[in-house]
Amino acid sequence: DSGVTQTPKHLITATGQRVTLRCSPRSGDLSVYWYQQSLDQGLQFLIQYYNGEERAKGNILERFSAQQFPDLHSELNLSSLELGDSALYFCASSSGQGRSPLHFGNGTRLTVT
Amino acid sequence: GENVGLHLPTLSVQEGDNSIINCAYSNSASDYFIWYKQESGKGPQFIIDIRSNMDKRQGQRVTVLLNKTVKHLSLQIAATQPGDSAVYFCAENIKGYSTLTFGKGTMLLVSP
Repeated sequence: DSGVTQTPKHLITATGQRVTLRCSPRSGDLSVYWYQQSLDQGLQFLIQYYNGEERAKGNILERFSAQQFPDLHSELNLSSLELGDSALYFCASSSGQGRSPLHFGNGTRLTVT
Repeated sequence: GENVGLHLPTLSVQEGDNSIINCAYSNSASDYFIWYKQESGKGPQFIIDIRSNMDKRQGQRVTVLLNKTVKHLSLQIAATQPGDSAVYFCAENIKGYSTLTFGKGTMLLVSP
């Protein structure tokens, strides 16, 4: 168990809808990362937060947004959903200090129909 | 790129054999590398890491080798077990950046 908790495990929704994915990092970790994993794109970095502030941005669509709250949990918001957004969405956390590995949750599987 | 599921490079070994999974990285500014194992239905799980000032690091049944000259990383698993069956990813961290870039995965299949 990595200590990173993601909810929900599965999400099925229709095109055009909006969903929120939630992540609780490992105790003590200040940094949260979101990754998308799809069959044709591998693990793609979306966005990183450190202690509530955005630290780095990857190939995140404008329809997607995220935030990290004072208690360090994070939410990823996906709006105007398209079929191509169907994927696994992973949250990872790290201490954010120096070189340390990311620890991943078990993901949210999003299916857009 | 290729990833979990279809069209992944696959390594098939017998239980008890040693496995070697290879990874080529592209950025010479990368100075920290990690190997992850991903089982079906789970997130990537940390196996072992190595910094660029080292060329070898050993863990329990695993060894990572780093060749900076040719930008190559390998993961050796000793006495491979059926429970080692999974997709293995290498990831690199570019100096000055806080994120990890993942390589294409390799599926390891271990037969009893």
